Amino acid sequence: DQQVKQNSPSLSVQEGRISILNCDYTNSMFDYFLWYKKYPAEGPTFLISISSIKDKNEDGRFTVFLNKSAKHLSLHIVPSQPGDSAVYFCAANTYSGAGSYQLTFGKGTKLSVIP
Amino acid sequence: DTGVSQNPRHKITKRGQNVTFRCDPISEHNRLYWYRQTLGQGPEFLTYFQNEAQLEKSRLLSDRFSAERPKGSFSTLEIQRTEQGDSAMYLCASSPRGDSRETQYFGPGTRLLVL
Repeated sequence: DQQVKQNSPSLSVQEGRISILNCDYTNSMFDYFLWYKKYPAEGPTFLISISSIKDKNEDGRFTVFLNKSAKHLSLHIVPSQPGDSAVYFCAANTYSGAGSYQLTFGKGTKLSVIP
Repeated sequence: DTGVSQNPRHKITKRGQNVTFRCDPISEHNRLYWYRQTLGQGPEFLTYFQNEAQLEKSRLLSDRFSAERPKGSFSTLEIQRTEQGDSAMYLCASSPRGDSRETQYFGPGTRLLVL
């Protein structure tokens, strides 16, 4: 049972245009969401996060939107650059007991930004 | 470099052998996590340490797997009697003291191939 879903395995966008990556979740206990970017043969790099008490968070070219009622979040990259080409993972943080927190990841979306 | 480091970066072993991986977290972080990522999947939680205490283990962590963090600093993950299904990227992450709205920072990972 996948609690965090990224239904688009891949996305291609022209340089300078907007990239929109989507993520859906099923567990209403999730209260903090993160986006990570991953290049081949490297570990995930933290990009941006959002708390469940907010519906939007911006950091430069990156904006994350959260729709709690729809259990949906999206990452917008404007303008997209070739260096943004990577796999993007959506993750949700939850308290699992005994002082333990863990991230639940989606399967990722591979973004290709075409020059 | 003050990020999370992992060694070795790559490991090739024969089925049945034991392997050990090391993770050095960001120095002021007291929380340390191990994840496993297989092809086409997002990282999956394996285990969590707060200081030297191992507070949670995933059902993915069979009895062939053991993790330690003896002095609350670096951690090791050992796999005994490796199987081909253990081939994956093993990721370590760390986070500072905080609450559920904390960011985990990942190392570059150790890629294991079991022949």
